[in-house]
Amino acid sequence: EIVMTQSPATLSVSPGERATLSCRASQSVSSSLVWYQQKPGQAPRLLIYGASTRATGIPARFSGSGSGTEFTLTISSLQSEDLAVYYCQQYNIWPRTFGQGTKVEIK
Amino acid sequence: EVQLVESGGGLVQPGGSLRLSCAASGFIFSGYWMSWVRQAPGKGLEWVANIKQDGGEKYYVGSVKGRFTISGDNAKNSLYLQMESLRAEDTAVYYCAKSQVGATNYFDYWGQGTLVTVSS
Repeated sequence: EIVMTQSPATLSVSPGERATLSCRASQSVSSSLVWYQQKPGQAPRLLIYGASTRATGIPARFSGSGSGTEFTLTISSLQSEDLAVYYCQQYNIWPRTFGQGTKVEIK
Repeated sequence: EVQLVESGGGLVQPGGSLRLSCAASGFIFSGYWMSWVRQAPGKGLEWVANIKQDGGEKYYVGSVKGRFTISGDNAKNSLYLQMESLRAEDTAVYYCAKSQVGATNYFDYWGQGTLVTVSS
């Protein structure tokens, strides 16, 4: 089973500043990685698939990069509505596995 | 508009059974792999099981193999999860989720979830 490790566990960022979230896979997953956003009390929402392609309706301030074992989600200018937990998930190897999440707080 | 609506959660004793349902609308249900994903209280996400459009392929996470059964009814646009021999560690919100593309098993739509609590 591939272990997905996200860092940091919590990220505190001021509005308008850049937020950088990391996700590391225990072995290569190629570009088979997605990012989800989960706001309090809500279901997850797909943000990025294929490591770098924004899902439908996702604002351009969200971007993804990386391949192999190292991935990054960047929020270029944090908005108050971006308060959420962000999860990465690999879909290259069965079983599909998630990271433990990064909580983004508004400073 | 795609909608996934789960039902069937509740309180059940350890060793008991429960059947979850997911009613799908707004897309061609028979054209997509579907999954159940769970989230224990205050914890992260865990994929539980998935099923191919025609029901010919089903996969489970190791911790539920032999206890949970996923099924689908294309005529009713519905997904199910039959859960047997429930344990305290199965306590979670269970989400129904639609795969965006084929068997990739990442999810472009999620339901609102249904809470399963296993406790005496």
